[in-house]
Amino acid sequence: DADVTQTPRNRITKTGKRIMLECSQTKGHDRMYWYRQDPGLGLRLIYYSFDVKDINKGEISDGYSVSRQAQAKFSLSLESAIPNQTALYFCATSDSGTGLNEQFFGPGTRLTVL
Amino acid sequence: GQNIDQPTEMTATEGAIVQINCTYQTSGFNGLFWYQQHAGEAPTFLSYNVLDGLEEKGRFSSFLSRSKGYSYLLLKELQMKDSASYLCAVSSGGYQKVTFGTGTKLQVIP
Repeated sequence: DADVTQTPRNRITKTGKRIMLECSQTKGHDRMYWYRQDPGLGLRLIYYSFDVKDINKGEISDGYSVSRQAQAKFSLSLESAIPNQTALYFCATSDSGTGLNEQFFGPGTRLTVL
Repeated sequence: GQNIDQPTEMTATEGAIVQINCTYQTSGFNGLFWYQQHAGEAPTFLSYNVLDGLEEKGRFSSFLSRSKGYSYLLLKELQMKDSASYLCAVSSGGYQKVTFGTGTKLQVIP
């Protein structure tokens, strides 16, 4: 079984729709992250959470919101999707206890906004 | 802020050696990661350098010079399956914030 899972894996939606991307992990890690990846721009951090009661904005949080429902679950919402939010979205986790902060990525969600 | 630079694309021949460079500017540097990412897949961890010098792990080695803000990933005995993007990422600050470079797309040709 995958340690970090994302649902859905692919989604096509229309401008103005509300979309939720979900991430679950069985690694027992305290930290979770949402990134988007666009060609030529690399991985950009949207939001991150260091524990259930901690939510922080990343470099491109506008138009997005998140919810950390439990240590194992971290959801990303697009309240009103727009075409430039078309991208590959990755969830990641890390363990603050290792002092390394190596990130483990989910398989990604390919989102297309028409 | 942080600035991470790496070449956009590289091509190398199967069986050869290739070096992928990364330069960075940051404050509160903790360490530098290298990740491999095949097209359409998730990035996977390759290495993490904290101290200056070369660390070898099988066919892959990673080098760090903190004073120069420079790292490289060395891939030996290239195989076709090494065709992928290689992401340089810097950890900085007390919370170990990780910032990724835009990646180097490596194509291995026969």
